[in-house]
Amino acid sequence: RKEVEQDPGPFNVPEGATVAFNCTYSNSASQSFFWYRQDCRKEPKLLMSVYSSGNEDGRFTAQLNRASQYISLLIRDSKLSDSATYLCVVTLPYNTNAGKSTFGDGTTLTVKP
Amino acid sequence: GAGVSQSPRYKVAKRGQDVALRCDPISGHVSLFWYQQALGQGPEFLTYFQNEAQLDKSGLPSDRFFAERPEGSVSTLKIQRTQQEDSAVYLCASSLTGINYGYTFGSGTRLTVV
Repeated sequence: RKEVEQDPGPFNVPEGATVAFNCTYSNSASQSFFWYRQDCRKEPKLLMSVYSSGNEDGRFTAQLNRASQYISLLIRDSKLSDSATYLCVVTLPYNTNAGKSTFGDGTTLTVKP
Repeated sequence: GAGVSQSPRYKVAKRGQDVALRCDPISGHVSLFWYQQALGQGPEFLTYFQNEAQLDKSGLPSDRFFAERPEGSVSTLKIQRTQQEDSAVYLCASSLTGINYGYTFGSGTRLTVV
């Protein structure tokens, strides 16, 4: 079983739709959580951090459930430009294993006109 | 520099050839990471430096892989006697202090071993 698991998709949605991605992680000691966005043949770029209280950045909302070891990303009012692969990232505490980050394999989103 | 710079952008190597991949992190960033990304997969951790110290090399797949950061800035990932399974994108990332604020990645080096 992979340490970080994501539904690979693809998710094909029309413009304006709301779409949600889920991610589960296996190491309960994980401390920090992120979503990255990766466009085709480009490097991953940090989209947002994920906090236990939930956090929102414009059309994007991230949630963390530590008890269930589950992370989610919600995108509202999807735009064509949201088409990308979304990577879930889980990080160990800095004082253990130098805070190594583990990436999921990503969920692919295609937003269509 | 303004971002993390990696070179070369593309590298084609014949099987058995040695290659060296360079990463120039954001100026002043203490932490530097190397990741390997195969097609259709997420990045896989290779190694981590804090300044010039290599604190974690647990992800290096074999003793053919070697990384260094001698002066705590530029880093080089060296792969000896390349094999076809080494074909991947090699990503370098840097972070100002620890890791809890997310990484800035370079554009990567796409290595193809033929």
